Formats: sequence, C-alpha cells, structure tokens
Amino acid sequence: IVLTQSPGTLSLSPGERATLSCRASQSVSSSSLAWYRQRPGQAPRLLIYAASSRATGISDRFRGSGSGTDFTLTINRLEPEDFAVYYCQQYGSSPTFGQGTKVEIK
Amino acid sequence: QIQLVQSGAEVKKPGASVKVSCKAFGYTFTGHYIHWVRQAPGQRLEWMGWINPASDGTKYAQRFQGRVTMTRDTATSTAHMHLTRLTPDDTAIYYCAREDTTMVTDFWGQGTLVTVSS
Repeated sequence: IVLTQSPGTLSLSPGERATLSCRASQSVSSSSLAWYRQRPGQAPRLLIYAASSRATGISDRFRGSGSGTDFTLTINRLEPEDFAVYYCQQYGSSPTFGQGTKVEIK
Repeated sequence: QIQLVQSGAEVKKPGASVKVSCKAFGYTFTGHYIHWVRQAPGQRLEWMGWINPASDGTKYAQRFQGRVTMTRDTATSTAHMHLTRLTPDDTAIYYCAREDTTMVTDFWGQGTLVTVSS
C-alpha cells in the first residue's frame, strides 16, 4: 500500500492550526493507521494509532481522523516543539510509511 | 521505563555485512515483537521486517529477502539485525521499534547510522 502525504511542507506560525493529509493507494483498516512526529536527529515518536487514538502522553491538541483511503492529522494551537516532520504509517501485514510532511515556522 | 538502546555507528565497505543490536529495558522482552525500520538520507522510513522474540519467528519485507536475518537473545533481551552484501544504497539510519498490543510500534531505539562507502 502506497501512502501519499500532502502538502510536502506547511509553513505556519505558532498558535495556528496544521492540517496534514495522508492518502492510501488502497483501503486501509482504520485500526492500522498511525501518525508519527520526527524531530531532527531523533527517532520517530508515536502520536496517533488506530487512526484516531492518541498515544500515551500525547496532548489533546493532536487529533487524528479519517477512514478508507483518506486520513488527516490536525494539530491545534501549534507550539514551538511541534515544528518537525510528520509521517503516516499503515501497519498491516507489510507496513509502509508516507513520504512525510514538514511543518516549518513561517 | 521502557527503552530500546541500539549499538553504535558503523562504517562498512561495499560487499560487507553489518550487524546492528537493540537491547530492551523496562518490559518483558518476549512479550512484544521487534520491528526494524531504516531511513536513508532524504528518504521515507522503510520497514524491513520483524522478529517475535518469544518464538524466534520472523517476517521480512520482500525487497530484503535473502539479505537480512533478524535474531534475538532472550538471555540478554537483545534483538539483532544482520544485513549482507551492502551497497552504498544501504547507507541509512537503522531503527528498532517495539510493537505494542495494538500492533503499532510505540517505542523506538535511538537509531544506528550505517555508512557504506569505499
């Protein structure tokens, strides 16, 4: 399953809302779609699993939604530590990742 | 506290092999699959396969079949990833990650940089 994320880069200011898209080449079980954040020089960190469930310790500013082939990650009230690269992943029998969306400071 | 601690950076020549280790702390090692994921410079994350530490069962991504072997040592709670016939295209950061009960990878190692260069 190929995952395509858009946009490639999102330029926003702190306090604004970010909306990231992930589109799959075929239907993905909602129980198998995750979002990760990766800061420079760090490993990915799990934010959302099962399309809409927040991982332990993740702020409620992060919201995952969607089903089938279209999924969205919304980040409300951007904070400085949110500026990073975000990846979606389908974790079925052969996991794949999107190419990433970079959220940068405008 | 759950942690996965990986071995240090490696520099290898084309045609050589590399073995990356991943030591688990803070949970029952045999209770969770370990996945291996790599990230080449400027590329997306790429899943390589998993090992079930309890049974020693493995599943590898098709593109690595025949070149990768994943093993584990339950006595030391350590997983290993062995990749052979290296080429410069294998230059990447290699991560291990723990699979939780919902099948998502929830904790990741810090990454191991493998550089393949003549």
